Amino acid sequence: GDSVTQMEGPVTLSEEAFLTINCTYTATGYPSLFWYVQYPGEGLQLLLKATKADDKGSNKGFEATYRKETTSFHLEKGSVQVSDSAVYFCALKNNAGNMLTFGGGTRLMVKP
Amino acid sequence: DTAVSQTPKYLVTQMGNDKSIKCEQNLGHDTMYWYKQDSKKFLKIMFSYNNKELIINETVPNRFSPKSPDKAHLNLHINSLELGDSAVYFCASSHGQGGGQTQYFGPGTRLLVL
Repeated sequence: GDSVTQMEGPVTLSEEAFLTINCTYTATGYPSLFWYVQYPGEGLQLLLKATKADDKGSNKGFEATYRKETTSFHLEKGSVQVSDSAVYFCALKNNAGNMLTFGGGTRLMVKP
Repeated sequence: DTAVSQTPKYLVTQMGNDKSIKCEQNLGHDTMYWYKQDSKKFLKIMFSYNNKELIINETVPNRFSPKSPDKAHLNLHINSLELGDSAVYFCASSHGQGGGQTQYFGPGTRLLVL
């Protein structure tokens, strides 16, 4: 079945540091890929998505590129802020179904 | 305007009770979902529902049942609550079921079973 693997956290960075959160997936066919963010005490919000190979999703300074050859969708940001502290979830949705399969989540802590 | 709303936000109850969590979306979406997030933040789909089809994750106990009075609502009813049901439950909705469709999540209901 489909699966998503994320790097385990917590990831602790200083403000303005470069961020990478790794995400790899296993799926049949050509899934769509998503990054969701969950701020403390809140629900999930879509951060960005990509629906086909080589697409780059971007939002709020975050980027991720759909790499079919490496089955990856790594999240990056050039300069993190304290307000980026949250849990980040990588997810996929296979075109054959309508349910999201989530990775285990990666907690990011940004210190001033 | 709240796109996907859930009530209650917090629910504390005794083992063996029956409880319901309500979900409403005002996005005009035709597909709704329930997810469970455990204490380690792991998220798992429970149900997917539109006006034509209910898809149940086979790992979900039959004590859990979704009920949809209309297209904008998908409530979650839980019978005979167990300690292991303690979790955060998220409702979500989307327009259609295609692979690229974005799912919008509610704020979650934190259920604690004592």
